[in-house]
Amino acid sequence: GENVEQHPSTLSVQEGDSAVIKCTYSDSASNYFPWYKQELGKRPQLIIDIRSNVGEKKDQRIAVTLNKTAKHFSLHITETQPEDSAVYFCAAAIKAAGNKLTFGGGTRVLVKP
Amino acid sequence: DTEVTQTPKHLVMGMTNKKSLKCEQHMGHRAMYWYKQKAKKPPELMFVYSYEKLSINESVPSRFSPECPNSSLLNLHLHALQPEDSALYLCASSQDRSGRWETQYFGPGTRLLVL
Repeated sequence: GENVEQHPSTLSVQEGDSAVIKCTYSDSASNYFPWYKQELGKRPQLIIDIRSNVGEKKDQRIAVTLNKTAKHFSLHITETQPEDSAVYFCAAAIKAAGNKLTFGGGTRVLVKP
Repeated sequence: DTEVTQTPKHLVMGMTNKKSLKCEQHMGHRAMYWYKQKAKKPPELMFVYSYEKLSINESVPSRFSPECPNSSLLNLHLHALQPEDSALYLCASSQDRSGRWETQYFGPGTRLLVL
């Protein structure tokens, strides 16, 4: 089955700097890649996603890039703010596999004021 | 209504108890999911229902029994659990249109403690 690896496991940045989280996946048939943010004690919330026919997607300070050949995708957060502090999970999915998301191990991001 | 709701928020149960977790959504979603999340770990898929039929069971022990009474409701029946089953149980839902992946929306979870 699909395996998703996520790095780094923890990331500390100064407010205003950029943060980058990288994920690799194993199954070349994966065609959907969402990113979820989970604040302490809260539910995971989708922040951005990308489908396999797109190389890059932006939403304000957040962007995701996808390299299907290398089977990796990345989350970029610019101008980080203290409220960006949370755990971020990448995931990969194959529609043919029946709506099954496989998550990466998570990255704990701390934005220092 | 654009949320997934779950009850109860917290549950403490003994190893001989029977309890149920409930999940509800009114977004017209036809796929519903149960995940288990341990501390500092990602959500781990347990079950998927598509159009009220169980489509995925990730080899979950039989002490966890899912039920989908209708397209808006999802239950997880618990019986004879072990302390290692203590975790946050998350419900999620999504559209389920052929050939297209749809965003999964998570509920707030039920924090379960098994004594």
